[in-house]
Amino acid sequence: DGGITQSPKYLFRKEGQNVTLSCEQNLNHDAMYWYRQDPGQGLRLIYYSQIVNDFQKGDIAEGYSVSREKKESFPLTVTSAQKNPTAFYLCASSRDRNRNTIYFGEGSWLTVV
Amino acid sequence: GQQLNQSPQSMFIQEGEDVSMNCTSSSIFNTWLWYKQDPGEGPVLLIALYKAGELTSNGRLTAQFGITRKDSFLNISASIPSDVGIYFCAGSLTQGGSEKLVFGKGTKLTVNP
Repeated sequence: DGGITQSPKYLFRKEGQNVTLSCEQNLNHDAMYWYRQDPGQGLRLIYYSQIVNDFQKGDIAEGYSVSREKKESFPLTVTSAQKNPTAFYLCASSRDRNRNTIYFGEGSWLTVV
Repeated sequence: GQQLNQSPQSMFIQEGEDVSMNCTSSSIFNTWLWYKQDPGEGPVLLIALYKAGELTSNGRLTAQFGITRKDSFLNISASIPSDVGIYFCAGSLTQGGSEKLVFGKGTKLTVNP
């Protein structure tokens, strides 16, 4: 089945450690996105990528990094510089950046203790 | 920045009742999307609207793209317990030559059997 796969679903890390969340899609979509979801707030865009080897900062990129070496993959690293990393992280993709019907993965819960 | 005002924030209804929620903005949107999110899962696309005035149904769900392009509503008819969840609207608008997607904060729906 086509879709977006995020892993791991749940992740616990100690403060000060970097963490990488995986996102893979087999929809042949060019554009991929990472959002952060906190209770009571709308989805906030962290980074997006329109094409392989290119990515752009979203609204809350500080403390995060990404790479886009393959069309199918868009991993997100939550660095120790992110001041409040505990959140639900959502990966998404769309056919291209200007066709904003986006589809989401199942999300990853990150808890930093 | 652009904001979507989604209302109501929460609804408590009896099984079998109809539900209506909406999103409004002062900005003009090119696309409206409606998603449903179950606890701990990623949002699932319910309906996508691409033209002003468009009315689209998906089973018991009906959504419309407002004629002014500044609003959209989602109706659920004859609600059932599995309709429980958070419903998000999202709108895309042109900003700086590219499309930007903005999310509402969600409507939490509770259905009492």
